[in-house]
Amino acid sequence: DTAVSQTPKYLVTQMGNDKSIKCEQNLGHDTMYWYKQDSKKFLKIMFSYNNKELIINETVPNRFSPKSPDKAHLNLHINSLELGDSAVYFCASSHKGAGGRTDTQYFGPGTRLTVL
Amino acid sequence: AQSVTQLDSHVSVSEGTPVLLRCNYSSSYSPSLFWYVQHPNKGLQLLLKYTSAATLVKGINGFEAEFKKSETSFHLTKPSAHMSDAAEYFCVVSELEYGNKLVFGAGTILRVKS
Repeated sequence: DTAVSQTPKYLVTQMGNDKSIKCEQNLGHDTMYWYKQDSKKFLKIMFSYNNKELIINETVPNRFSPKSPDKAHLNLHINSLELGDSAVYFCASSHKGAGGRTDTQYFGPGTRLTVL
Repeated sequence: AQSVTQLDSHVSVSEGTPVLLRCNYSSSYSPSLFWYVQHPNKGLQLLLKYTSAATLVKGINGFEAEFKKSETSFHLTKPSAHMSDAAEYFCVVSELEYGNKLVFGAGTILRVKS
């Protein structure tokens, strides 16, 4: 069984379009994350949700809006796509570990977004 | 603030020889440290993690890392490289005081020659 799944795996779209990437985890975790990996393979966190509440929001353009309908899902909606949004987007999930520290984060397979 | 520096962008070893991937971190408090591996066109897999228990951490596939607070280092080692170890490796730091977000290093590409 897939632990953290993302759909779609590949997404090719035109500038200016609006698109969504879905993420689901079946691990029973209470915290979910979105990361962006750029063309140089640099990974950076975008958002983090704990029990459906936003707890980390890095300096991401407000064209990016995460939505968590329940603890098992964290979707990423992107408005008015730009060329610079082309990247691989990874979803991850974890428990909150002992003492509030993050437990191991489990990553999805990634969604490769290409904006033309 | 927390940050991670991976000292080598590329490392090349021969199959059967030791692997050393170097990582230095900067943190204000008590960090958790991780190594993740990413094979080509694949997701990220956790190799090992340090969370204030034993300073020598053993991970999967024969990898281990030692947390050295005095040197602010968390280097990844393996006694004998295998062809399947060829991948990109990321050193990662996380702190409770910064919301437990993972901060990634720039990555080290490991090449294994036959």
